[in-house]
Amino acid sequence: EIVLTQSPSTLSLSPGERATLSCRASQIVYNNFLAWYQRKPGQTPRLLFYAASSRATDIPDRFSGSGSATDFTLTISRLEPEDFAVYYCQQYGSSLWTFGQGTKVEIK
Amino acid sequence: DVHLLESGGGLVQPGGSQRLSCAASGFPFGSYDMIWVRQTPGKGLEWVSRISESGGRTYYADSVKGRFTISRDNSNNTLYLQMNSLRAEDTAVYYCAKKMGVGYYPLDYWGQGTLVTVSS
Repeated sequence: EIVLTQSPSTLSLSPGERATLSCRASQIVYNNFLAWYQRKPGQTPRLLFYAASSRATDIPDRFSGSGSATDFTLTISRLEPEDFAVYYCQQYGSSLWTFGQGTKVEIK
Repeated sequence: DVHLLESGGGLVQPGGSQRLSCAASGFPFGSYDMIWVRQTPGKGLEWVSRISESGGRTYYADSVKGRFTISRDNSNNTLYLQMNSLRAEDTAVYYCAKKMGVGYYPLDYWGQGTLVTVSS
């Protein structure tokens, strides 16, 4: 199975700052079929991006997804108060799907 | 609106069995792959299993293969997860989720989850 490693585990930033989250795969992700989700306490995960860089419905453009093969990045250009959450990457290009362990973006 | 409602969670002894159900509505259930994902206490999300729209293809994480069985009843818009030989490490909130489309797509809708606790 493909192991996804997210870094850092925790990112402490202030509103207005830029957040850069990394997701590294142990093998090439087929056709860059990698998604990013946002998870807030008490809520179900919200899809942000699929196919590495395709923005899901109603996702603000301060969010961007990039990368290919084994290295993927989620960038939040200017953090808003509602962006503080846990972010997960997930690959769906192989028969066995996998999630990364998550990056918590917390208020500094 | 898409709605997914899990049920069947509870306390079960190690080595025991439990069957989870997920009632779906608001979309053509028989047209989409369905997935089970779990979240263990204090940890992240773990993909558990996936079933094709017809039920003809199933996939399992290594951690549950041979113990869990995913199935679906398209006539009743219901997804199932039969869990056997349960272990303490299977304690988690189990979510059913819908794949976003036909082909290679991730998950776009999730249920609220049902808690399974494996303990003596």
